[in-house]
Amino acid sequence: AQKVTQAQTEISVVEKEDVTLDCVYETRDTTYYLFWYKQPPSGELVFLIRRNSFDEQNEISGRYSWNFQKSTSSFNFTITASQVVDSAVYFCALRPNTGGFKTIFGAGTRLFVKA
Amino acid sequence: DTGVSQNPRHKITKRGQNVTFRCDPISEHNRLYWYRQTLGQGPEFLTYFQNEAQLEKSRLLSDRFSAERPKGSFSTLEIQRTEQGDSAMYLCASSLSGGGTNYEQYFGPGTRLTVT
Repeated sequence: AQKVTQAQTEISVVEKEDVTLDCVYETRDTTYYLFWYKQPPSGELVFLIRRNSFDEQNEISGRYSWNFQKSTSSFNFTITASQVVDSAVYFCALRPNTGGFKTIFGAGTRLFVKA
Repeated sequence: DTGVSQNPRHKITKRGQNVTFRCDPISEHNRLYWYRQTLGQGPEFLTYFQNEAQLEKSRLLSDRFSAERPKGSFSTLEIQRTEQGDSAMYLCASSLSGGGTNYEQYFGPGTRLTVT
Protein backbone atom coordinates (compact mmCIF):
# COMPACT_ATOMS: atom_id res chain seq x y z
CA ALA A 1 0.00 0.00 0.00
CA GLN A 2 1.10 3.55 -0.66
CA LYS A 3 0.31 5.86 2.19
CA VAL A 4 1.40 9.07 3.93
CA THR A 5 0.69 9.63 7.60
CA GLN A 6 0.88 12.98 9.30
CA ALA A 7 -0.01 12.10 12.86
CA GLN A 8 -0.16 15.67 14.12
CA THR A 9 -3.51 17.19 13.18
CA GLU A 10 -2.84 20.60 14.72
CA ILE A 11 0.15 22.23 16.36
CA SER A 12 0.15 25.54 18.16
CA VAL A 13 3.35 27.39 19.00
CA VAL A 14 4.37 30.84 20.08
CA GLU A 15 6.36 32.96 17.67
CA LYS A 16 10.12 32.25 17.66
CA GLU A 17 9.66 28.68 18.84
CA ASP A 18 11.03 25.86 16.71
CA VAL A 19 8.49 23.32 15.48
CA THR A 20 8.82 19.94 13.75
CA LEU A 21 6.10 18.46 11.56
CA ASP A 22 6.23 14.70 11.26
CA CYS A 23 5.68 12.66 8.12
CA VAL A 24 5.80 8.88 7.79
CA TYR A 25 5.27 7.18 4.45
CA GLU A 26 4.70 3.67 3.13
CA THR A 27 5.66 2.36 -0.26
CA ARG A 28 7.13 -0.80 -1.74
CA ASP A 29 8.84 1.11 -4.50
CA THR A 30 12.58 1.54 -4.21
CA THR A 31 12.42 4.73 -6.24
CA TYR A 32 10.03 7.42 -5.12
CA TYR A 33 9.79 11.13 -4.49
CA LEU A 34 8.72 13.00 -1.39
CA PHE A 35 7.35 16.52 -1.22
CA TRP A 36 6.22 19.12 1.24
CA TYR A 37 3.59 21.69 0.36
CA LYS A 38 2.23 24.64 2.32
CA GLN A 39 -1.44 25.69 2.10
CA PRO A 40 -1.95 29.14 3.61
CA PRO A 41 -5.42 30.46 4.43
CA SER A 42 -5.72 31.75 0.86
CA GLY A 43 -5.95 28.10 -0.18
CA GLU A 44 -3.28 27.75 -2.87
CA LEU A 45 -0.82 24.91 -2.34
CA VAL A 46 2.76 26.14 -2.43
CA PHE A 47 5.60 23.77 -3.26
CA LEU A 48 8.37 23.73 -0.65
CA ILE A 49 10.71 20.84 -1.39
CA ARG A 50 11.17 17.67 -3.42
CA ARG A 51 13.45 14.81 -2.39
CA ASN A 52 14.14 11.57 -4.23
CA SER A 53 14.60 8.28 -2.44
CA PHE A 54 18.30 8.04 -3.27
CA ASP A 55 19.20 11.33 -1.68
CA GLU A 56 19.17 11.13 2.09
CA GLN A 57 21.04 14.32 2.66
CA ASN A 58 19.24 16.72 4.93
CA GLU A 59 18.41 20.06 3.46
CA ILE A 60 18.20 23.54 4.90
CA SER A 61 16.57 26.53 3.26
CA GLY A 62 16.54 29.59 5.45
CA ARG A 63 14.43 28.79 8.50
CA TYR A 64 13.20 25.52 6.95
CA SER A 65 14.98 22.20 7.21
CA TRP A 66 14.08 18.67 6.25
CA ASN A 67 15.24 15.38 7.75
CA PHE A 68 14.85 12.36 5.45
CA GLN A 69 15.43 9.00 7.13
CA LYS A 70 14.84 6.05 4.86
CA SER A 71 15.39 3.57 7.70
CA THR A 72 12.30 4.86 9.49
CA SER A 73 10.41 5.97 6.33
CA SER A 74 10.19 9.48 7.66
CA PHE A 75 10.55 12.89 6.08
CA ASN A 76 10.17 15.45 8.84
CA PHE A 77 10.02 19.20 8.42
CA THR A 78 11.36 21.70 10.95
CA ILE A 79 10.67 25.42 11.06
CA THR A 80 13.19 27.32 13.15
CA ALA A 81 12.19 30.54 14.89
CA SER A 82 8.60 30.31 13.68
CA GLN A 83 6.74 33.41 12.54
CA VAL A 84 3.04 34.24 12.36
CA VAL A 85 3.26 34.03 8.55
CA ASP A 86 4.16 30.35 8.89
CA SER A 87 0.58 29.65 10.03
CA ALA A 88 -0.85 27.29 7.42
CA VAL A 89 -1.65 23.68 6.71
CA TYR A 90 1.40 21.69 5.67
CA PHE A 91 1.11 18.58 3.54
CA CYS A 92 3.64 15.83 3.05
CA ALA A 93 3.25 13.88 -0.20
CA LEU A 94 4.63 10.75 -1.85
CA ARG A 95 4.98 9.95 -5.52
CA PRO A 96 5.99 6.34 -6.11
CA ASN A 97 7.82 5.63 -9.33
CA THR A 98 5.29 3.01 -10.38
CA GLY A 99 1.57 3.46 -10.86
CA GLY A 100 1.68 6.50 -13.05
CA PHE A 101 2.19 9.95 -11.65
CA LYS A 102 -0.35 9.88 -8.88
CA THR A 103 0.80 11.85 -5.85
CA ILE A 104 -0.46 10.68 -2.49
CA PHE A 105 -0.94 13.37 0.12
CA GLY A 106 -1.14 13.09 3.86
CA ALA A 107 -4.06 14.63 5.71
CA GLY A 108 -2.00 17.67 6.62
CA THR A 109 -0.87 19.35 9.83
CA ARG A 110 -2.40 22.69 10.70
CA LEU A 111 0.20 24.97 12.28
CA PHE A 112 -0.87 27.97 14.36
CA VAL A 113 1.88 30.43 15.24
CA LYS A 114 0.78 32.94 17.84
CA ALA A 115 2.37 36.34 18.26
CA ASP B 1 4.20 33.51 -16.28
CA THR B 2 1.39 33.94 -13.79
CA GLY B 3 1.14 30.32 -12.70
CA VAL B 4 -1.78 27.92 -12.85
CA SER B 5 -5.17 29.59 -13.05
CA GLN B 6 -8.61 28.12 -12.44
CA ASN B 7 -12.09 29.39 -13.18
CA PRO B 8 -14.46 29.91 -11.60
CA ARG B 9 -13.06 30.24 -8.09
CA HIS B 10 -16.42 29.45 -6.52
CA LYS B 11 -19.45 27.64 -7.85
CA ILE B 12 -22.75 27.05 -6.10
CA THR B 13 -25.13 24.73 -7.87
CA LYS B 14 -28.25 22.77 -7.16
CA ARG B 15 -28.20 19.01 -6.94
CA GLY B 16 -28.69 17.44 -10.33
CA GLN B 17 -27.16 20.29 -12.33
CA ASN B 18 -24.04 19.97 -14.47
CA VAL B 19 -20.96 22.06 -13.78
CA THR B 20 -17.74 22.64 -15.71
CA PHE B 21 -14.45 23.96 -14.38
CA ARG B 22 -11.50 25.23 -16.36
CA CYS B 23 -7.77 25.03 -15.66
CA ASP B 24 -5.02 26.88 -17.48
CA PRO B 25 -1.62 25.39 -16.64
CA ILE B 26 1.78 27.05 -16.72
CA SER B 27 2.44 27.43 -20.41
CA GLU B 28 5.48 25.20 -20.83
CA HIS B 29 4.09 22.41 -18.64
CA ASN B 30 2.88 19.37 -20.54
CA ARG B 31 1.48 17.46 -17.58
CA LEU B 32 -1.79 18.51 -16.00
CA TYR B 33 -3.47 16.98 -12.94
CA TRP B 34 -6.85 17.26 -11.25
CA TYR B 35 -7.32 16.68 -7.51
CA ARG B 36 -10.22 16.94 -5.12
CA GLN B 37 -9.81 18.24 -1.59
CA THR B 38 -12.46 17.99 1.12
CA LEU B 39 -12.34 19.80 4.43
CA GLY B 40 -9.57 18.63 6.71
CA GLN B 41 -8.06 16.29 4.14
CA GLY B 42 -5.20 16.35 1.72
CA PRO B 43 -5.78 16.51 -2.02
CA GLU B 44 -6.93 13.26 -3.62
CA PHE B 45 -5.78 12.45 -7.13
CA LEU B 46 -8.50 12.32 -9.79
CA THR B 47 -6.79 12.21 -13.17
CA TYR B 48 -3.82 13.41 -15.16
CA PHE B 49 -2.91 14.33 -18.73
CA GLN B 50 0.31 14.24 -20.64
CA ASN B 51 -0.30 16.77 -23.40
CA GLU B 52 -3.80 15.93 -24.66
CA ALA B 53 -3.76 12.28 -23.59
CA GLN B 54 -5.54 11.30 -20.39
CA LEU B 55 -3.19 8.68 -18.99
CA GLU B 56 -4.61 7.82 -15.62
CA LYS B 57 -7.95 8.05 -13.84
CA SER B 58 -8.65 7.40 -10.19
CA ARG B 59 -11.45 5.14 -9.04
CA LEU B 60 -12.80 8.30 -7.41
CA LEU B 61 -13.67 9.55 -10.88
CA SER B 62 -17.14 8.14 -11.37
CA ASP B 63 -18.98 8.06 -14.70
CA ARG B 64 -20.47 11.45 -13.88
CA PHE B 65 -17.02 13.03 -14.10
CA SER B 66 -15.21 13.72 -17.33
CA ALA B 67 -12.04 15.64 -18.04
CA GLU B 68 -10.60 16.84 -21.30
CA ARG B 69 -7.51 18.61 -22.52
CA PRO B 70 -8.31 18.96 -26.20
CA LYS B 71 -5.25 20.83 -27.45
CA GLY B 72 -2.81 19.92 -24.74
CA SER B 73 -3.14 23.35 -23.14
CA PHE B 74 -6.13 24.16 -20.91
CA SER B 75 -8.28 21.46 -19.38
CA THR B 76 -11.91 21.19 -18.34
CA LEU B 77 -13.47 19.03 -15.65
CA GLU B 78 -17.20 18.42 -15.95
CA ILE B 79 -19.43 16.92 -13.31
CA GLN B 80 -22.85 15.79 -14.49
CA ARG B 81 -25.89 15.41 -12.24
CA THR B 82 -24.08 16.84 -9.25
CA GLU B 83 -24.63 15.34 -5.82
CA GLN B 84 -24.08 16.89 -2.40
CA GLY B 85 -21.10 14.60 -1.92
CA ASP B 86 -19.38 16.36 -4.82
CA SER B 87 -19.00 19.49 -2.69
CA ALA B 88 -15.26 20.04 -2.39
CA MET B 89 -12.35 22.10 -3.62
CA TYR B 90 -11.21 20.99 -7.07
CA LEU B 91 -7.52 21.63 -7.60
CA CYS B 92 -5.58 21.68 -10.82
CA ALA B 93 -1.81 21.32 -11.00
CA SER B 94 0.76 21.23 -13.76
CA SER B 95 4.33 20.09 -14.13
CA LEU B 96 7.12 19.53 -16.58
CA SER B 97 8.02 16.06 -17.75
CA GLY B 98 10.93 14.39 -19.42
CA GLY B 99 13.88 12.19 -18.63
CA GLY B 100 11.92 10.18 -16.06
CA THR B 101 12.23 12.99 -13.56
CA ASN B 102 9.26 13.57 -11.33
CA TYR B 103 9.09 17.32 -11.49
CA GLU B 104 7.14 18.99 -8.73
CA GLN B 105 3.57 20.02 -9.38
CA TYR B 106 2.45 23.63 -9.21
CA PHE B 107 -1.10 24.13 -8.04
CA GLY B 108 -3.80 26.59 -8.97
CA PRO B 109 -6.03 28.35 -6.43
CA GLY B 110 -8.80 25.79 -6.86
CA THR B 111 -12.51 25.92 -7.59
CA ARG B 112 -14.72 25.52 -4.55
CA LEU B 113 -17.91 23.69 -5.45
CA THR B 114 -20.95 23.77 -3.20
CA VAL B 115 -23.89 21.56 -4.15
CA THR B 116 -27.12 22.51 -2.40
